[in-house]
Amino acid sequence: GAGVSQSPSNKVTEKGKDVELRCDPISGHTALYWYRQRLGQGLEFLIYFQGNSAPDKSGLPSDRFSAERTGESVSTLTIQRTQQEDSAVYLCASSDGWTGSYEQYFGPGTRLTVT
Amino acid sequence: AQTVTQSQPEMSVQEAETVTLSCTYDTSENNYYLFWYKQPPSRQMILVIRQEAYKQQNATENRFSVNFQKAAKSFSLKISDSQLGDTAMYFCAFWEYGNKLVFGAGTILRVKS
Repeated sequence: GAGVSQSPSNKVTEKGKDVELRCDPISGHTALYWYRQRLGQGLEFLIYFQGNSAPDKSGLPSDRFSAERTGESVSTLTIQRTQQEDSAVYLCASSDGWTGSYEQYFGPGTRLTVT
Repeated sequence: AQTVTQSQPEMSVQEAETVTLSCTYDTSENNYYLFWYKQPPSRQMILVIRQEAYKQQNATENRFSVNFQKAAKSFSLKISDSQLGDTAMYFCAFWEYGNKLVFGAGTILRVKS
């Protein structure tokens, strides 16, 4: 079975440009998370989707960051007017939020470099 | 809000020896789950071990075991017979029903030959 996939795996962009990062969760997983991880550091929570509930956006660092998810499928994380401090690996994870193992399954991440 | 604290930013261990990584958490709930995740240099996050709070028995997975002290809100990870492939960053995480998973800051573990 397919795991969580993310695209692109690497993205280099110029400062000021907008970027979209994509996450395909495991089919049937109701919960989806986005995290940011700077080099050598821990996971910084960005946003959490659970089913049809309103997303928890408490981790988004600024209004340049937004994310969408349609139902229980694909999610996109958009960063507008990118800044150099946005350079990081962006990880997506999904889980069966209501029943099951509660384990989070992570994608391989998108490495974003802002030049 | 739930918090997870990993007080050891970095640890080192000699190959074949045993190392324990610490984790404490704060919650007022009685039912929850605790996890240890491993992130090797490849950056792929891998679940190492899981503990349900209602279970008194400590979880074990081969060379990995936990010491779960519910009253003390402590959840340490013991790695026995350490191997070079265990070199990674390790994250402790807490989850309760209906809420998001909360991670600690991580501990970098280096296994030396």
